[in-house]
Amino acid sequence: KQEVTQIPAALSVPEGENLVLNCSFTDSAIYNLQWFRQDPGKGLTSLLLIQSSQREQTSGRLNASLDKSSGRSTLYIAASQPGDSATYLCAVFKAAGNKLTFGGGTRVLVKP
Amino acid sequence: KAGVTQTPRYLIKTRGQQVTLSCSPISGHRSVSWYQQTPGQGLQFLFEYFSETQRNKGNFPGRFSGRQFSNSRSEMNVSTLELGDSALYLCASSYTRDGYTFGSGTRLTVV
Repeated sequence: KQEVTQIPAALSVPEGENLVLNCSFTDSAIYNLQWFRQDPGKGLTSLLLIQSSQREQTSGRLNASLDKSSGRSTLYIAASQPGDSATYLCAVFKAAGNKLTFGGGTRVLVKP
Repeated sequence: KAGVTQTPRYLIKTRGQQVTLSCSPISGHRSVSWYQQTPGQGLQFLFEYFSETQRNKGNFPGRFSGRQFSNSRSEMNVSTLELGDSALYLCASSYTRDGYTFGSGTRLTVV
């Protein structure tokens, strides 16, 4: 059974610092991994999708890496801003099952 | 293009009642999935439909059911509501297996 863990559960940084969010999964036979952002009471916004054959993906200030063999992914957010405050979730997808398995999320607060 | 649309946004129901939630996927997306999000359990998979067929179901009681129509719109139904069913219900659609787009969710409160 796939298990996904995100550590830390919460993180507080001053504006301008780089954010490093971790995601680990137990079954390395994944098809892809997706990072999402969730604002309080809202739905999920997709940030980055990494295919199992890729090592990283970048979008603006966001960079996500994937090490499938060790079961880890890291989301880097450069030069954090107060608007980056949200909960960040990673989810892995296996072709068998057609479903996402989510981590518990990391709640981020960026202080002005 | 329009995103994933979920209706209604908020619902308040009484224990024992039933409820139907609706999800309209992105045009062209044939896969629709449903997830339940609670503070204690996080995001849990309910079921996934593709071309009107349920392909996978999560570990939820039979009170939770769903269906998908020929236009890919999907509904989920919860019968005999319990207080523990209070949650944010999220729908996601996908064109292929390469990434999911989520709706804004339906917040269900059972009193």
